[in-house]
Amino acid sequence: EAGVAQSPRYKIIEKRQSVAFWCNPISGHATLYWYQQILGQGPKLLIQFQNNGVVDDSQLPKDRFSAERLKGVDSTLKIQPAKLEDSAVYLCASSLGWGPPEKLFFGSGTQLSVL
Amino acid sequence: GENVEQHPSTLSVQEGDSAVIKCTYSDSASNYFPWYKQELGKGPQLIIDIRSNVGEKKDQRIAVTLNKTAKHFSLHITETQPEDSAVYFCASFNFGNEKLTFGTGTRLTIIP
Repeated sequence: EAGVAQSPRYKIIEKRQSVAFWCNPISGHATLYWYQQILGQGPKLLIQFQNNGVVDDSQLPKDRFSAERLKGVDSTLKIQPAKLEDSAVYLCASSLGWGPPEKLFFGSGTQLSVL
Repeated sequence: GENVEQHPSTLSVQEGDSAVIKCTYSDSASNYFPWYKQELGKGPQLIIDIRSNVGEKKDQRIAVTLNKTAKHFSLHITETQPEDSAVYFCASFNFGNEKLTFGTGTRLTIIP
């Protein structure tokens, strides 16, 4: 079974630039999550999709972050403009469906450095 | 909102000895508690979990215990091996608001 695919693995940008991350969840997984993991901290949920609808985006800084999941499969997360404090690993995860996120599968993440 | 505290932040254990990581949570409505292992350059991977109607669960060398009254749960790794070296995260999930909250992580180092 193929895992959660993310790209790019690394990205270095200057502050105020834009950046986009891509995620392809495990086939058949209805729920997709984007997490932000700052060095030395646990992952923090940014946004959760159920198919192509947003379930929870309460912690997404909507003035600069946006995400979409067209057709309920792939997803992109965008930051525009980036700030220094956005330096983190951005993790995508997926699970089969609603309810407790049992069997939550994570991708390897995109490490973003904002200079 | 839910707050999950995890300690210690770092733990070094001699190979073959046991390791214990502890977490406390604040939301009494939380009822599912997974543990994740994160190796360098990889995403977290679920290693064991426990629901609130169970006090203990074991899977080979790893076990998790839950004390709902005290709102704390622990991960126990016995007969530690070098491949157990990683960062471990506890988490709590609330069925009501569907939120999964992670602890701050424990970096476990197994000394050969």
